[in-house]
Amino acid sequence: EGQLVQSGSEVKKPGESLKISCEGSGYSFPNYWIVWVRQMPGKGLEWMGMIYPATSDIRYSPSFQGQVIISADKSINTAYLQWSSLKASDSGMYYCAREYCSGGRCYSPWGQGTLVTVSS
Amino acid sequence: EIVMTQSPATLSVSPGERATLSCRASQSVNSDLAWYQQRPGQAPRLLIYAVSTRATGTPARFSGSGSGTEFTLTISSLQSEDVAVYYCQQYNDRPSYTFGQGTKLEIK
Repeated sequence: EGQLVQSGSEVKKPGESLKISCEGSGYSFPNYWIVWVRQMPGKGLEWMGMIYPATSDIRYSPSFQGQVIISADKSINTAYLQWSSLKASDSGMYYCAREYCSGGRCYSPWGQGTLVTVSS
Repeated sequence: EIVMTQSPATLSVSPGERATLSCRASQSVNSDLAWYQQRPGQAPRLLIYAVSTRATGTPARFSGSGSGTEFTLTISSLQSEDVAVYYCQQYNDRPSYTFGQGTKLEIK
């Protein structure tokens, strides 16, 4: 099944940019969708969007379209989630996960999460 | 966007007893429904997909049922390690595959 390892926690100020990463190993990284999921403190899971690294086909949730950028570099088996100008409301835990159901519809395994804190 | 509503918000069950968690979709998702378990301080883990198919490693005490808009996750005999928040997720409505708000399962 492989595994996903995410970059470490980040503390940023409002207005700063950020790019977090998710590195896959133990499977053919280009050929499986990678999804990004947000979990705000004490809250539930929010589906943000996903990428198919082999073609860089990207799908965004309407709630996150224009707010974040999803990308991938298949040569180093890594997917990214980035912000150009962070807001306090972007604080939360961000998970990446790999496609388990074909078409990127359900997800396993998951990364360990990256905690993003945005505070002045 | 399809809204997924889970009930109850919190469920307390005695060890060895049955736990029944519900998930309702605002419109039909056919059989495109998964369940995830998130233990405290951990990442989510896929338990069940396609309503009733257990993912690799999911114990047999977990089962799923339902169709259309009404779905159920049943734990036949609650173990201490089942304390977690459980989320349903629909993957019928592209491009936004929404999650429910979660049910917190506690030991009574």
